[in-house]
Amino acid sequence: DSGVTQTPKHLITATGQRVTLRCSPRSGDLSVYWYQQSLDQGLQFLIQYYNGEERAKGNILERFSAQQFPDLHSELNLSSLELGDSALYFCASSVGTAAHNEQFFGPGTRLTVL
Amino acid sequence: AQSVSQHNHHVILSEAASLELGCNYSYGGTVNLFWYVQYPGQHLQLLLKYFSGDPLVKGIKGFEAEFIKSKFSFNLRKPSVQWSDTAEYFCAVVKAGNNRKLIWGLGTSLAVNP
Repeated sequence: DSGVTQTPKHLITATGQRVTLRCSPRSGDLSVYWYQQSLDQGLQFLIQYYNGEERAKGNILERFSAQQFPDLHSELNLSSLELGDSALYFCASSVGTAAHNEQFFGPGTRLTVL
Repeated sequence: AQSVSQHNHHVILSEAASLELGCNYSYGGTVNLFWYVQYPGQHLQLLLKYFSGDPLVKGIKGFEAEFIKSKFSFNLRKPSVQWSDTAEYFCAVVKAGNNRKLIWGLGTSLAVNP
């Protein structure tokens, strides 16, 4: 158990819908990262937050947004869902923002868009 | 753009065989390098990392990796694999510094036959 929790584990929805994925970081970790993992593209970094502020942005679509709340949990909102958004979404946390900090990963949320 | 290449997508070994998984990256500056592992049904976890000092890095469970800057490589090795090493292995690279984007290889699936 990494100490990072993600809910829900599985999500099945239809195209055009909106979903929210939730992540609670390890106790004491201030950075949260979101990743998308698909079969053809592997793990893609989406976005990073540190103590409530956005710190780095990757290949995150405009239809996706995220935030980190004062209690440090984070939510990833995916809207106008398309079939291609079906993937495993991982959250990770680390103590700080340094590149060499180990990231601790949650179990992931498997999103299926039908 | 930065990229990470893992040469072997699927590797099948017998127990006690030696393992070497290749990882090459494209960025020419100072980097931090990681190998993560995902055992079946579990979350991603750190095997080892390099960010400075001795280029030969030792990780958990008998794994080691060597950073060869001139070859832009960070190959993972284990002298004698066990059935419990069956997992997906991911190499990741990030520019040194803060608030950086971790770039991932596509992963190598290792199956160890008893």
